[in-house]
Amino acid sequence: NAGVTQTPKFRVLKTGQSMTLLCAQDMNHEYMYWYRQDPGMGLRLIHYSVGEGTTAKGEVPDGYNVSRLKKQNFLLGLESAAPSQTSVYFCASTHTAGYNEQFFGPGTRLTVL
Amino acid sequence: ELKVEQNPLFLSMQEGKNYTIYCNYSTTSDRLYWYRQDPGKSLESLFVLLSNGAVKQEGRLMASLDTKARLSTLHITAAVHDLSATYFCAGPPGGGATNKLIFGTGTLLAVQP
Repeated sequence: NAGVTQTPKFRVLKTGQSMTLLCAQDMNHEYMYWYRQDPGMGLRLIHYSVGEGTTAKGEVPDGYNVSRLKKQNFLLGLESAAPSQTSVYFCASTHTAGYNEQFFGPGTRLTVL
Repeated sequence: ELKVEQNPLFLSMQEGKNYTIYCNYSTTSDRLYWYRQDPGKSLESLFVLLSNGAVKQEGRLMASLDTKARLSTLHITAAVHDLSATYFCAGPPGGGATNKLIFGTGTLLAVQP
């Protein structure tokens, strides 16, 4: 099993450009999450999904959109990138509403100039 | 909503010494998670603590949970260089069955020879 994978690993954007980050998991997990990690701030939840076709806002959703058209994929979109969105983005998944820990992807390092 | 505070934020210790990282959280929670992150890498699950008084050990690391005090600790015994990493604690924000997590800001542990 590949676990949780993320594409791309690195990306540099100019202000105002758009892009989509792809997260894929092969563990048949129901729940998926997008986080951003900034120095000194830990991880903050952007959006999450509790199943195919569902999405919900997390702590810091502004400037991002998400879609979960297939159970195994969770897409994070930036419609008009801003320098404040320079960060490392992590995707995670977990498979029940119980106590299972989240499994994380390798991350995407995004720089917005 | 749940707030998670870790201390210290940075810990430099010598090999062979013992130390404890503290994780305080602001609202009632029945579980607590610990993760490890190596520089430039993703997060790896260390412990899932599911009840008051829970104690788990893996090698030189031992984690415990006191839900009444809203406190979890990660104790390091006889530190070795390989334990150098950033350690995060995380807890559920409460309400709903989504397995969302709120993360602390992390403790950067540097074990010096």
